[in-house]
Amino acid sequence: EVQLVQSGAEVKKPGESLKISCKGSGYSFTSYWIGWVRQMPGKGLEWMGIIYPGDSDTRYSPSFQGQVTISADKSISTAYLQWSSLKASDTAMYYCARLVTGTMAYFDYWGQGTLVTVSS
Amino acid sequence: EIVMTQSPATLSVSPGERATLSCRASQSVSSNLAWYQQKPGQAPRLLIYGASTRATGIPARFSGSGSGTEFTLTISSLQSEDFAVYYCQQYNNWPGAFGQGTKVEIK
Repeated sequence: EVQLVQSGAEVKKPGESLKISCKGSGYSFTSYWIGWVRQMPGKGLEWMGIIYPGDSDTRYSPSFQGQVTISADKSISTAYLQWSSLKASDTAMYYCARLVTGTMAYFDYWGQGTLVTVSS
Repeated sequence: EIVMTQSPATLSVSPGERATLSCRASQSVSSNLAWYQQKPGQAPRLLIYGASTRATGIPARFSGSGSGTEFTLTISSLQSEDFAVYYCQQYNNWPGAFGQGTKVEIK
């Protein structure tokens, strides 16, 4: 069974750093792109970027380029999303999801989401 | 970037009735269009891909149609578990873009 299990909720202060994780199982983790999707409170879904764990090839949506860093450790089947300096506007639910094929595809499996709250 | 626009924002429907949701792309995305369902407190779930192919385990009352810039998701007879928010997503051009969602609520 394909599963993506994300790390738990985080409460941080503005300016702090953060790294959240997404662990894949039940499939060949290195053979599928993993994407990150943001959902701000009460809002829709936003495509942030994707990574291919096989070689760590990473692509960012222009809106998120320079704002976050996506990485992966294929040895433990885990993808990451990190911030070096959080802002209140980073408060959101973040989902990881598996892309069916290639870089331009739809998401067939989703993690349960990680809620990030940034508040002073 | 391609912009996806969904309408209406909210659709009030009685159980057993038909629901028709629309999604429009700012330029052609061919048939590279997916639909997702999201219930409160849950991650999105894939319903339709390739504009009209149901994902595994999705009931036949869900159907998708369209190509190019105009797409439709139809729920033929709404069940209680279908009241949720629905998103379209294009995957023809980078970055893949989602619509803003249509909330299907009980009338």
